[in-house]
Amino acid sequence: GQNIDQPTEMTATEGAIVQINCTYQTSGFNGLFWYQQHAGEAPTFLSYNVLDGLEEKGRFSSFLSRSKGYSYLLLKELQMKDSASYLCAVRGNTGGFKTIFGAGTRLFVKA
Amino acid sequence: GAGVSQSPRYKVAKRGQDVALRCDPISGHVSLFWYQQALGQGPEFLTYFQNEAQLDKSGLPSDRFFAERPEGSVSTLKIQRTQQEDSAVYLCASSPSDSGGLYNYEQYFGPGTRLTVT
Repeated sequence: GQNIDQPTEMTATEGAIVQINCTYQTSGFNGLFWYQQHAGEAPTFLSYNVLDGLEEKGRFSSFLSRSKGYSYLLLKELQMKDSASYLCAVRGNTGGFKTIFGAGTRLFVKA
Repeated sequence: GAGVSQSPRYKVAKRGQDVALRCDPISGHVSLFWYQQALGQGPEFLTYFQNEAQLDKSGLPSDRFFAERPEGSVSTLKIQRTQQEDSAVYLCASSPSDSGGLYNYEQYFGPGTRLTVT
């Protein structure tokens, strides 16, 4: 079967660093995405990993280990506006490149 | 340029009614996806188009759900005889990709249609 696991909720303090983990078991792998979704809004793209290692983009970094079926999203210098849900998604490599999303991790940033 | 647009933004239907949800993808985007998102959950894949071809409809929950993209641009998701369990936000996303490889196939999401079945 296909399964993506991530914590339901996390709380962190403004200015701190937070790591959101994601483990996956999918039939086929052709890339892992992280999306941010504010309440009532559409998901917006944050990062993409298809090879093992760390991808850094400003305050956000994402890591992938394909052998472990594991990824994390690292958010640095947290700001109040980072309070949102963070969705881990895996794209398969069968016809259509179907993308499976996790349930999301709700991050609360407190002052 | 314009992003992905969806209409209507909100739809209230009585149980048993048919509804049609429209998606206008970003111009030139080859791939189009439909997702269903329940409150507090991640988007659930419904179906995928590459141009006008529906390559994957494995996520459609029943034969009451039907999607089309006849000219490879605008897409419509139709739900017949709506049920209360169909209440959700329906998201459409488009992507420029049409081939495999080590490329970033970011999906651009529309604002969604919130469907409430009473």
